[in-house]
Amino acid sequence: EADIYQTPRYLVIGTGKKITLECSQTMGHDKMYWYQQDPGMELHLIHYSYGVNSTEKGDLSSESTVSRIRTEHFPLTLESARPSHTSQYLCASSVLAGGITGELFFGEGSRLTVL
Amino acid sequence: AQTVTQSQPEMSVQEAETVTLSCTYDTSESDYYLFWYKQPPSRQMILVIRQEAYKQQNATENRFSVNFQKAAKSFSLKISDSQLGDAAMYFCAYWRGVGNQFYFGTGTSLTVIP
Repeated sequence: EADIYQTPRYLVIGTGKKITLECSQTMGHDKMYWYQQDPGMELHLIHYSYGVNSTEKGDLSSESTVSRIRTEHFPLTLESARPSHTSQYLCASSVLAGGITGELFFGEGSRLTVL
Repeated sequence: AQTVTQSQPEMSVQEAETVTLSCTYDTSESDYYLFWYKQPPSRQMILVIRQEAYKQQNATENRFSVNFQKAAKSFSLKISDSQLGDAAMYFCAYWRGVGNQFYFGTGTSLTVIP
């Protein structure tokens, strides 16, 4: 299995709370991603990073923010959670720009429910 | 943005039989990569198989093979001798290469019947 870890796996919180979803990888990959996954929908890229101190927004508008202070760590934060944020969030990593293989390595996901 | 279409939300197959999952995509590019990813329930999504568009030969990985039809923009996955462990969501994905995003389909949920 890939060495990429997400916590928490499941989270139920009330509206207005601040939450941080953690993602760590031990493969030394430069590029990291956050995807949003909803049933019956394609995965949507919400944030990505090319390396330390590099973060970019993806094609899906998101009220979340990310940081990349260390290569192995790419947390996602919601300052004030709303029911519309209820979803599964997948973290992934790859060698820079996908490398020659293009393989993404995924975490197990964080399922967020906002009441 | 690129589009990847998986028209089969759900499929089922008897154990030991063969099943084919469909995927079509839209692109004006000639060089790109196509992937099938597998997501078992509550587990990590993993790469099943990869196809480079410049290669005419269809990729094969053990019981998994693809039928890549570049002109038709079709990329189907064939699973032979299906096993219970093959039950999962399968996502087709398109990638233009270095510096570009991945685009995923909506997935096909595969059930394997004992």
